[in-house]
Parts: sequence; structure tokens; C-alpha cells
Amino acid sequence: DTAVSQTPKYLVTQMGNDKSIKCEQNLGHDTMYWYKQDSKKFLKIMFSYNNKELIINETVPNRFSPKSPDKAHLNLHINSLELGDSAVYFCASSQDSINTGELFFGEGSRLTVL
Amino acid sequence: AQSVTQPDIHITVSEGASLELRCNYSYGATPYLFWYVQSPGQGLQLLLKYFSGDTLVQGIKGFEAEFKRSQSSFNLRKPSVHWSDAAEYFCAVESGGYNKLIFGAGTRLAVHP
Repeated sequence: DTAVSQTPKYLVTQMGNDKSIKCEQNLGHDTMYWYKQDSKKFLKIMFSYNNKELIINETVPNRFSPKSPDKAHLNLHINSLELGDSAVYFCASSQDSINTGELFFGEGSRLTVL
Repeated sequence: AQSVTQPDIHITVSEGASLELRCNYSYGATPYLFWYVQSPGQGLQLLLKYFSGDTLVQGIKGFEAEFKRSQSSFNLRKPSVHWSDAAEYFCAVESGGYNKLIFGAGTRLAVHP
């Protein structure tokens, strides 16, 4: 069983469209994250939720809206997609939000905006 | 602001050779430091971490790292590299709580047979 699973793995879409990426973890963790990895492999945190509550919200355009229906799921919705949104988006989870640094990552969702 | 620098973008070693990947950090207090590995098409996996205490930390897959405060470094080492170690390696520092990790740009390791 995959611990942190993301869907879809690949997403190709046109500029201006709205798309969502879903993430689910079956580890029983309390905290989930979204990271963006750009074409140069640079990883940057976007959001973090702890027990459905937003605890990290980096400087991300408000076209990006995370939603956590329960602590096992953290979805990412992106409105009005732009070329610069093309990247690999990683979902991750950790047991809690205390500083252990042990994050469990999904395999990533590659978004290509044309 | 906290930052992590990995000076080597790409390193190639022969199988069986020793390996050292460099990482320098910028952080005001005692840092929490990590090394993650990303195999092709995969997510990241934690190799090891340093919080405090012994400055030489052991991790999975035979890796170790040494924290040197005087040099602001946390270099990753392995005495004998295997072909399966070919991957992207990321150094990270925890910044501001809540497991917020700041990653370096990564070092791509290639292993020659």
C-alpha cells in the first residue's frame, strides 16, 4: 500500500484552466504538506495543515487554494493556470507538526501548462 | 533568512569509491539539519537528521553526515558507493517550526560501474 499517494501523476492543461491535485496518506499522520519542485529541482514549501488546520502558508499566489477535508487528505486546487505553474508538486505528511523533520513524500504530480 | 547551499550540482563517482556531498547552511541558532534522497521519478526519502548531541550521525543505506558548527557545514558521506545510490540528494534545514524545511538545490549523483 502506498503511504502517500497523489493523483494524477501527470497533468497537461492549457493556460487559464482550473485544475486540482489530490493527496491521501494512510500513515495516520496529523500533518500534511504541499511542496513545489521547479525545473531546476528546487523544492519550496507552499502549505501545511495540521489536523485540518492551516499552519504554514508561504508566499503563494491566491490562485492556489489547499483544502483538507480530513487529516488524511490534502488537496491542491489551482485557478487560472499560468505557464510558471508548470512544476512537480509533492505532497508529504509527518506524524505531527513538531520539529522532527521526517516527512514522507508522495511520488509527485507533474503539471505542465501549455 | 535561513538558507542551504549545495555547491556541487553534479557529482560522478565510480562504484566502490567513497563519496562526500557538501552542504552549507545559514542559520542563527542551532540548526536542525537533514539529508533527503530522491530517486528518479520518486518522492524524497529521509536519509538522516541532526538535532543535537553527537555531531556524527548515522543514517540509512550506509550514509553518515557530520555537523561542523565552525564551518556551518553538514556534509554527507558514504565509504563505498553502490550503483543504486545514483539519485538526487537534498540537504535541508528546519526553519521557523512546524517542520518547515528549507531545501538546498540538490546534488545529482551518478555512479559509474
